[in-house]
Amino acid sequence: KAGVTQTPRYLIKTRGQQVTLSCSPISGHRSVSWYQQTPGQGLQFLFEYFSETQRNKGNFPGRFSGRQFSNSRSEMNVSTLELGDSALYLCASRSGLFNTGELFFGEGSRLTVL
Amino acid sequence: GENVEQHPSTLSVQEGDSAVIKCTYSDSASNYFPWYKQELGKRPQLIIDIRSNVGEKKDQRIAVTLNKTAKHFSLHITETQPEDSAVYFCAAIWSNNDMRFGAGTRLTVKP
Repeated sequence: KAGVTQTPRYLIKTRGQQVTLSCSPISGHRSVSWYQQTPGQGLQFLFEYFSETQRNKGNFPGRFSGRQFSNSRSEMNVSTLELGDSALYLCASRSGLFNTGELFFGEGSRLTVL
Repeated sequence: GENVEQHPSTLSVQEGDSAVIKCTYSDSASNYFPWYKQELGKRPQLIIDIRSNVGEKKDQRIAVTLNKTAKHFSLHITETQPEDSAVYFCAAIWSNNDMRFGAGTRLTVKP
């Protein structure tokens, strides 16, 4: 069974630009969640999607948005990039039927904002 | 508010010693507490989890304890080995599916 796939793996943007990251979950998983990882801040929860609906959202500004498609693939978008948005963005999938269960993480998309 | 605090942020032990990482959470309705291990340059992976109706769970050298009254849970690693060196994250899943991770503990096991 293929794991969680994230694209692109690395990208460099400049302030003010926008970026879209993609996440393909494990086949059969309907829940995809997104996290921002920065040194010292751990894993900051962005949002979770289940069956194309945002089920939960963390404390990030509206510049951070996401969506999920009918095949459970998910995208997250960050508009008007700021230097502080430089981070590793991880997505994770799980079956999603219950609020428990293992999260399977992708390798992440490392975003650098110049 | 919803928060998970994790201590210590760094921990260095000698090979063979035990390591303990502690987390506290703020929502008494939280019912699921996983621990993830992230080795350098790799993705986080689940190592053990515990549900709110259980006080302790063991898996070989790893154990997790939960004190619901005090709202804290701990990871215990016995007989540490160099390959245990990694960043460990605790998490608490709220009943509304909100997921919160601690800030992480960087464990170094010195040979």
